[in-house]
Amino acid sequence: ILNVEQSPQSLHVQEGDSTNFTCSFPSSNFYALHWYRWETAKSPEALFVMTLNGDEKKKGRISATLNTKEGYSYLYIKGSQPEDSATYLCAFTSGTYKYIFGTGTRLKVLA
Amino acid sequence: NAGVTQTPKFRVLKTGQSMTLLCAQDMNHEYMYWYRQDPGMGLRLIHYSVGEGTTAKGEVPDGYNVSRLKKQNFLLGLESAAPSQTSVYFCASSPDRGGNQPQHFGDGTRLSIL
Repeated sequence: ILNVEQSPQSLHVQEGDSTNFTCSFPSSNFYALHWYRWETAKSPEALFVMTLNGDEKKKGRISATLNTKEGYSYLYIKGSQPEDSATYLCAFTSGTYKYIFGTGTRLKVLA
Repeated sequence: NAGVTQTPKFRVLKTGQSMTLLCAQDMNHEYMYWYRQDPGMGLRLIHYSVGEGTTAKGEVPDGYNVSRLKKQNFLLGLESAAPSQTSVYFCASSPDRGGNQPQHFGDGTRLSIL
């Protein structure tokens, strides 16, 4: 059974802190890993699509790295702001039509 | 840009009733998906479609049926609703088969079965 694990489940940080969380996925049959940002009462919004081992992507203060050999990806937020409060979701695909989602990391940034 | 639109946004049903959830996308995407989201669990795939006129079962298909008569629409049906189907349902679409492009999600339908 393929499983995607995200840690921590939730965390609270102070405004201005930098933080990071982890997505662990099967290291075999890897094709792509997606990161989504999901605000309450809204739809998940794509952050990154990562396909290559060693990939590093950046969007403003948010960046992500990928290690397909060991099966993990890190998402970093530099200088967290209250508007970064959301659930961050990762999804693994082996190149079929199906995606396996983690349960997300719920981030709360305190002003 | 409308993107992916789900209707209705909320619904309460009694056990045994039927209903259809509609998903519409205006991005000309080939691939469409229905997921359910339950507390403590990741999004789970119910059914998906790889093009107009095609559908396939996902991880948790029991109790649901789908149709994709038009490329832009993907319908999810509950023939006889059960309390276990209380959930938030998300529709998504993608232009890409394998995952080189992200999925685009609707805002969700919150469904309660009494």
